[in-house]
Amino acid sequence: RKEVEQDPGPFNVPEGATVAFNCTYSNSASQSFFWYRQDCRKEPKLLMSVYSSGNEDGRFTAQLNRASQYISLLIRDSKLSDSATYLCVVNTGSARQLTFGSGTQLTVLP
Amino acid sequence: EAGVVQSPRYKIIEKKQPVAFWCNPISGHNTLYWYLQNLGQGPELLIRYENEEAVDDSQLPKDRFSAERLKGVDSTLKIQPAELGDSAVYLCASSLGAGGEQYFGPGTRLTVT
Repeated sequence: RKEVEQDPGPFNVPEGATVAFNCTYSNSASQSFFWYRQDCRKEPKLLMSVYSSGNEDGRFTAQLNRASQYISLLIRDSKLSDSATYLCVVNTGSARQLTFGSGTQLTVLP
Repeated sequence: EAGVVQSPRYKIIEKKQPVAFWCNPISGHNTLYWYLQNLGQGPELLIRYENEEAVDDSQLPKDRFSAERLKGVDSTLKIQPAELGDSAVYLCASSLGAGGEQYFGPGTRLTVT
């Protein structure tokens, strides 16, 4: 089993739709969780950290479920500009070792 | 504020040739990472430095890959000799402290022919 697993997609959704991605992790001792966004042929950029109580940033909501060992990202009112690959990142092993998932590709259609 | 700088952006070499990539992290960031990213995959850590010390190089193929960060600022990643399977994007990232938000450079796209 991979340390961090994501559904690769692709997810093709119309503008204005709500879409959710899940990411599972194998190390129950993991403490830090992030979502990064990567545009085509660009570098990854931090979208948001994921806190135990869940957190929201505009149209984006991140949640953590420790019991089932997964994190989720919800995007409401999708925009064309949301089209990208979303990478789940989890600390594995020591607190300073981050592991990236393979990414979920999202395309928002006009 | 300048971001993470990498050079070259693109490199095409023949197999068995050496190649080197350079990275200058964000000023003040003591943690530096080198990642390899293949198409359709997430970045995979090659090596992590805290200041000039390599604290995690377990995924670095040491028979052909080497890295250095002599003064705890910029870093060089070298492959010698390159193999066809080394074709990928090599990303450098830095953070204020290990485990914190990582800022990535634009990457070096390596093609080995």
